[in-house]
Amino acid sequence: DTEVTQTPKHLVMGMTNKKSLKCEQHMGHRAMYWYKQKAKKPPELMFVYSYEKLSINESVPSRFSPECPNSSLLNLHLHALQPEDSALYLCASSLTGTGVNQPQHFGDGTRLSIL
Amino acid sequence: RKEVEQDPGPFNVPEGATVAFNCTYSNSASQSFFWYRQDCRKEPKLLMSVYSSGNEDGRFTAQLNRASQYISLLIRDSKLSDSATYLCVVGRSGNTGKLIFGQGTTLQVKP
Repeated sequence: DTEVTQTPKHLVMGMTNKKSLKCEQHMGHRAMYWYKQKAKKPPELMFVYSYEKLSINESVPSRFSPECPNSSLLNLHLHALQPEDSALYLCASSLTGTGVNQPQHFGDGTRLSIL
Repeated sequence: RKEVEQDPGPFNVPEGATVAFNCTYSNSASQSFFWYRQDCRKEPKLLMSVYSSGNEDGRFTAQLNRASQYISLLIRDSKLSDSATYLCVVGRSGNTGKLIFGQGTTLQVKP
């Protein structure tokens, strides 16, 4: 079982809806990440939080809004998404987000479909 | 040119075979290296970190050649359950936490 928990597992939403994806880890990791993955492609980094501060935004459209309420939780707020945003959204965590890069541990993802 | 390059395959091998994957990276300042495994419609899972001295975990051996900027993964005695996509992942230098993923190599082990 993965130690990074994501909810919901599946989400179908219309282009005018607002929804949130949630991610939780209790490994004491201080860096958390959001990735987007399309079929047969590698994960694409969206955001990095290090010690609860946003450290990387990979030029993600503003219809995706990340939030890190505390060191264990990471949210991704969605609003006015487009059909091309349909993908697997993966959360990951690592011990720290600084210094030599450490392995990241992934949750099992939220499969998002935009109608 | 992609920063991390892998042969996408697929590699089709019989059970019991030995198979090797290579991966090249372009940023000579890269500091950390990993192999991940991803099953269809599942999340990537860390298979092993790769160290300069090489490392082995059971049937899996990983090697790093910094001079030539490539990483390899050797799987011995392939099992049906080894069928998956193997992602070569490189960490950039600097305090970013950012990992660069290769496109992945697909392995199909057949009975």
